[in-house]
Amino acid sequence: KAGVTQTPRYLIKTRGQQVTLSCSPISGHRSVSWYQQTPGQGLQFLFEYFSETQRNKGNFPGRFSGRQFSNSRSEMNVSTLELGDSALYLCASSLSVGQETQYFGPGTRLLVL
Amino acid sequence: AQKITQTQPGMFVQEKEAVTLDCTYDTSDQSYGLFWYKQPSSGEMIFLIYQGSYDEQNATEGRYSLNFQKARKSANLVISASQLGDSAMYFCAWATNTGNQFYFGTGTSLTVIP
Repeated sequence: KAGVTQTPRYLIKTRGQQVTLSCSPISGHRSVSWYQQTPGQGLQFLFEYFSETQRNKGNFPGRFSGRQFSNSRSEMNVSTLELGDSALYLCASSLSVGQETQYFGPGTRLLVL
Repeated sequence: AQKITQTQPGMFVQEKEAVTLDCTYDTSDQSYGLFWYKQPSSGEMIFLIYQGSYDEQNATEGRYSLNFQKARKSANLVISASQLGDSAMYFCAWATNTGNQFYFGTGTSLTVIP
């Protein structure tokens, strides 16, 4: 069974631009979560989606948004990029919700110049 | 917010020896899950082991075992017979039973010495 895939793997943007990251979960998984990883802040939760509904959102500004489609694929968008948005963005999928093991994708490395 | 603490920023272990990575958590919830992940330099998080708060037995998965002490709120990862490929960052994570929001510790960098 294929794992979680994320595209693109690497991205370079400039301040003020916007970016969209994509995540395809493991087949049959209906929950997708997003995390931001930086050397200074570590791993921080962004959002969680289940059956196209956002169930939880982390403490991030409104510039960060996401959605989930009917096939469970998810996208996250960051508008008006700032230098501090440079990070590894990890997507994870699980069968359902509630202490379910999350399986992570390889991540998207975003560099904002 | 839940607090997950990993007090060992870096650890060294000789190849074929066992090593324990510490993790403590702070919660008033009764039902929760604890997870350990490995992150090689490539960046992908690899699931290692899971322990539910109501599980009476310590979880084991191959060379990985979780030393769960509920009263002390600790969930230490034990890696037996370390291999060079075990060199990586290791993260402890906590999750409530109602959602998929994981709270991660700051990680421990493990280096296996030949």
